[in-house]
Amino acid sequence: EVQLVQSGAEVKKPGESLKISCKASGYSFSNYWIGWVRQMPGKGLEWMEIIYPDDSHTRSSPSFQGQVTISADKSISTAYLQWSSLKASDTAMYYCARLSGIFGVFDYWGQGTLVIVSS
Amino acid sequence: DIQMTQSPSTLSASVGDRVTITCRASQNINNWLAWYQQKPGKAPNLLIYKASNLESGVPSRFSGSGSGTEFTLTITSLQPDDFATYYCQHYNSYSVTFGGGTKVDIK
Repeated sequence: EVQLVQSGAEVKKPGESLKISCKASGYSFSNYWIGWVRQMPGKGLEWMEIIYPDDSHTRSSPSFQGQVTISADKSISTAYLQWSSLKASDTAMYYCARLSGIFGVFDYWGQGTLVIVSS
Repeated sequence: DIQMTQSPSTLSASVGDRVTITCRASQNINNWLAWYQQKPGKAPNLLIYKASNLESGVPSRFSGSGSGTEFTLTITSLQPDDFATYYCQHYNSYSVTFGGGTKVDIK
């Protein structure tokens, strides 16, 4: 059974750094793109980044390029999303999801990680 | 960049109604179009892939159609469990784009 289990909710102050995680199981982690999707409170889904764990190739939305860093550790089947300096506008739910390149869809999703940035 | 535009943004309907949601792409995307359902506090759930293929386990009252730039998601007989927000999504080798969403609520 494919599962994506994300790290728990975070409350941070502006300017702090943060790294959230997404642990995959039930499939060959290295051979599927995995990505992150943001959902701000009461808003829609926004694609941020995807990474191919086998070779760490990445693709970024222009809206998020340079704002966050995606990475993956294939030895422990875990993807990460990292901020170096959080802003209040980063407050959102963040979902990781597996991308099926054959069909062009996010076919499995994590449960979401809520990030609150507040002074 | 390809833009995906959904309409309407909100739709009020009753149980048993036939519901249609439209998604338009800013350029030809062939059939690289998916539909998701999201309920409050939950992750999105894949319904349709490649424009018209029903994901395993999804009820047959859901269907997708279209190609090129215009696509539709149809729910033939709306059930209480279907009140949710629906998103279209496009993928190419370089990027992913979601539509803005359509909230289906109770009339």
